[in-house]
Amino acid sequence: QTVVTQEPSFSVSPGGTVTLTCGLTSGSVSTTYYSSWYQQTPGQAPRTLIYNTNARSSGVPDRFSGSILGNKAALTITGAQADDESVYYCMLYMGGDLWVFGGGTKLTVL
Amino acid sequence: QVQLVQSGAEVKKPGASVKVSCKASGYTFSTYAIHWVRQAPGQRLEWMGLINAANGNTRHSQKFQGRVTITRDTSATTVYMEMSSLKSEDTAVFYCARETRGSYRYFDYWGQGALVTVSS
Repeated sequence: QTVVTQEPSFSVSPGGTVTLTCGLTSGSVSTTYYSSWYQQTPGQAPRTLIYNTNARSSGVPDRFSGSILGNKAALTITGAQADDESVYYCMLYMGGDLWVFGGGTKLTVL
Repeated sequence: QVQLVQSGAEVKKPGASVKVSCKASGYTFSTYAIHWVRQAPGQRLEWMGLINAANGNTRHSQKFQGRVTITRDTSATTVYMEMSSLKSEDTAVFYCARETRGSYRYFDYWGQGALVTVSS
């Protein structure tokens, strides 16, 4: 069974740039997976950041961007701020009305 | 404005069932699918399944097939997720989420979550 992979953790300095990735244990992520990204802070419901690989959800600052990098989907945060410290989940559409989340990346800003 | 309001926290004994509701408002209920996502304490999000609010068709993750039933009441604009044969490992927050229209395959609105605790 194909698993969606994400880095378990990442660290970035305030003002820095970080790229989180979302891959597959078998195969490459392309635009046909309609990758989306969600931000979650403790005790809160997820917040939608990016959809359809690189489209920003309403109200999301433009320092969040999505792309395909090589064989993975990617979320880049440019000019990281303290309140970006969260867990970031990617989600892929696997076809046939099936979706899968990645394991999440815990981002620390320090 | 679009809102998904879920039912409150529940405590259940192992072997019991739980039914969580998700009341939708602020949009035409039948034109969007609603999905369910599980999150065990400190763990990742898990996609469970969806219901097409227009026709009631459902699709489930293989992991939850046979143990989870998703239904909807169009007159009440409410979707339900029922999980049976609960185990302690099913302790989790359950979220409902609306799938946006069109072909983008993502969730644009989320419920606040409902904590289900399974304990003897």
